[in-house]
Amino acid sequence: TQLLEQSPQFLSIQEGENLTVYCNSSSVFSSLQWYRQEPGEGPVLLVTVVTGGEVKKLKRLTFQFGDARKDSSLHITAAQPGDTGLYLCAGDGGSNYKLTFGKGTLLTVNP
Amino acid sequence: GAGVSQSPSNKVTEKGKDVELRCDPISGHTALYWYRQSLGQGLEFLIYFQGNSAPDKSGLPSDRFSAERTGGSVSTLTIQRTQQEDSAVYLCASSLLWNQPQHFGDGTRLSIL
Repeated sequence: TQLLEQSPQFLSIQEGENLTVYCNSSSVFSSLQWYRQEPGEGPVLLVTVVTGGEVKKLKRLTFQFGDARKDSSLHITAAQPGDTGLYLCAGDGGSNYKLTFGKGTLLTVNP
Repeated sequence: GAGVSQSPSNKVTEKGKDVELRCDPISGHTALYWYRQSLGQGLEFLIYFQGNSAPDKSGLPSDRFSAERTGGSVSTLTIQRTQQEDSAVYLCASSLLWNQPQHFGDGTRLSIL
């Protein structure tokens, strides 16, 4: 069974601070996705990373896929209250359709 | 609509009753997925449809759970003889093809009394 561990589970910071959340596994994934979910809504895809060592940037968000394709990180620069939400990582173990999700990091950015 | 639509958005029912949850995928999307999100748990994969066929039902927790898809479009997830542990948010997603990004609906919040 493939598992994804996300840390920290909860994170509360002030507007303008930087933060990093982590997604780790002992399994290799062919691709890894990051989603953000707001209360009462479904997850929204932020990015997909597929190559070991890959770095993708989306405005103030930087995503990295580990060289061994077992882990990933999400770094947010100068966090804003609008970044508040549940950040989920999800890995594809090779089926190309079946995603394994982590339990998420609940981020609160205070004004 | 442009997105994945799920109904009802909320469902409260008594233990032992049957419930049906509906998912309308994005038009033209051939693949459809059901997930369950419980408090303190991540999203758990339930079932995957390609067209009207379900090649992977491995995530269905018990034989009380079933799902079907008709016309390559709408899907229904049925839970028979509901139990309190079935309380969760049930999320549906669709994708253009089986290996494309999944787009999620806002889910059905199911509460079993």
